[in-house]
Amino acid sequence: QSALTQPASVSGSPGQSITISCTGTSSDVGGYNYVSWYQQHPGKAPKLMIYDVNKRPSGVSNRFSGSKSGNTASLTISGLQAEDEADYYCSSYTSSTTWVFGGGTKLTVL
Amino acid sequence: EVQLVESGGGLVQPGGSLRLSCAASGFTFSTYWMTWVRQAPGKGLEWVANIKQDGSEKYYVDSVKGRFTISRDNAKNLLYLQLNSLRAEDTAVYYCATELGTVPAGYWGQGTLVTVSS
Repeated sequence: QSALTQPASVSGSPGQSITISCTGTSSDVGGYNYVSWYQQHPGKAPKLMIYDVNKRPSGVSNRFSGSKSGNTASLTISGLQAEDEADYYCSSYTSSTTWVFGGGTKLTVL
Repeated sequence: EVQLVESGGGLVQPGGSLRLSCAASGFTFSTYWMTWVRQAPGKGLEWVANIKQDGSEKYYVDSVKGRFTISRDNAKNLLYLQLNSLRAEDTAVYYCATELGTVPAGYWGQGTLVTVSS
């Protein structure tokens, strides 16, 4: 049950696009299309942004998109806005019938 | 509107126990798997445990197996997490959340802080 691997930090300027990676194994990310992404602002509860690799819940901006290739999933945010500055976490179902989160990525909007 | 409200957190000594509760409203509680997720201060999210709609299946992260117990009362729309043999590394904000099929945590509560310290 090791945490999924995410970069500690990424940054981008307003209007640019950034991508956050989430690397696991064939027992989690690579084995299931049950990857979700969460956004967390300081002092707040996480918010679901992407589920099932590339689906957006109602109300989430279409600037957020997800994808997966092999054991690595990715979250792309296009047209960066100041309000996107937050921590982002991926999660995946595992072959142990449990769930695992990534270590988190801090997004800074320059 | 879905609402999840956790309670029961506080300061406890190492080796002590605590029971967390999560009051659910705004949805049919008995039809959802439920989940606990924790976050140590300044750290990332960690999935802790989940429980099936009728309580017949429960799963835990390895680090809490044998020490934590998840349970639910569908008649009262309450989710519980019993924390025993607490360690300093269990210090965290504990969130309850609804598991939505292929999503470990769709709706989240505001969290309750557990501090394990002497």
